[in-house]
Amino acid sequence: AQSVTQLDSHVSVSEGTPVLLRCNYSSSYSPSLFWYVQHPNKGLQLLLKYTSAATLVKGINGFEAEFKKSETSFHLTKPSAHMSDAAEYFCVVSDRKAAGNKLTFGGGTRVLVKP
Amino acid sequence: DSGVTQTPKHLITATGQRVTLRCSPRSGDLSVYWYQQSLDQGLQFLIQYYNGEERAKGNILERFSAQQFPDLHSELNLSSLELGDSALYFCASSVGTGAPNTEAFFGQGTRLTVV
Repeated sequence: AQSVTQLDSHVSVSEGTPVLLRCNYSSSYSPSLFWYVQHPNKGLQLLLKYTSAATLVKGINGFEAEFKKSETSFHLTKPSAHMSDAAEYFCVVSDRKAAGNKLTFGGGTRVLVKP
Repeated sequence: DSGVTQTPKHLITATGQRVTLRCSPRSGDLSVYWYQQSLDQGLQFLIQYYNGEERAKGNILERFSAQQFPDLHSELNLSSLELGDSALYFCASSVGTGAPNTEAFFGQGTRLTVV
């Protein structure tokens, strides 16, 4: 079975300061991991994905995430927050052994960016 | 724009009624997935179809059913609706069978309100 825990339901940062969104996962097999972003009244957009290549993954809009197997973590970071980063972020795991492509979502982290 | 189209965008209906949500996947994508996003349950996988056949099943209620047609569009049927079925329903699509490291593209969702 696979599961995802996002350690913070809300994160508040000032514009121009770093953003850290924490994610821990549990998977029976070697997982694929994703971060998705959901802006208000919008669908989900893929930020980045880890699929057992480089452990440091770069995504869109300046985001990156580091896969740490020993810590079962896949934290998302951005060096400098922008107002447009205000959204909800989801860490997602996909079990490679599972039939189909069932994505298991974390509970989400809502990011507030203060001017 | 992800290329995944969901209709309608909003739906308001009464308890006990039946509704159909429609999804057109991205051109060339054979897999379609349905997800439910609610305040108390978060984002949950419901079901996946690949090229017309059910591929994987998640937490889908017996009152709910889905199908994928020869033209690859999909419909999610929700019957005997209850207040708790009020949620945002997302459709996603991906290439092929949806190997776990394959990116899924999400539509903007259908917001269902049961009154």
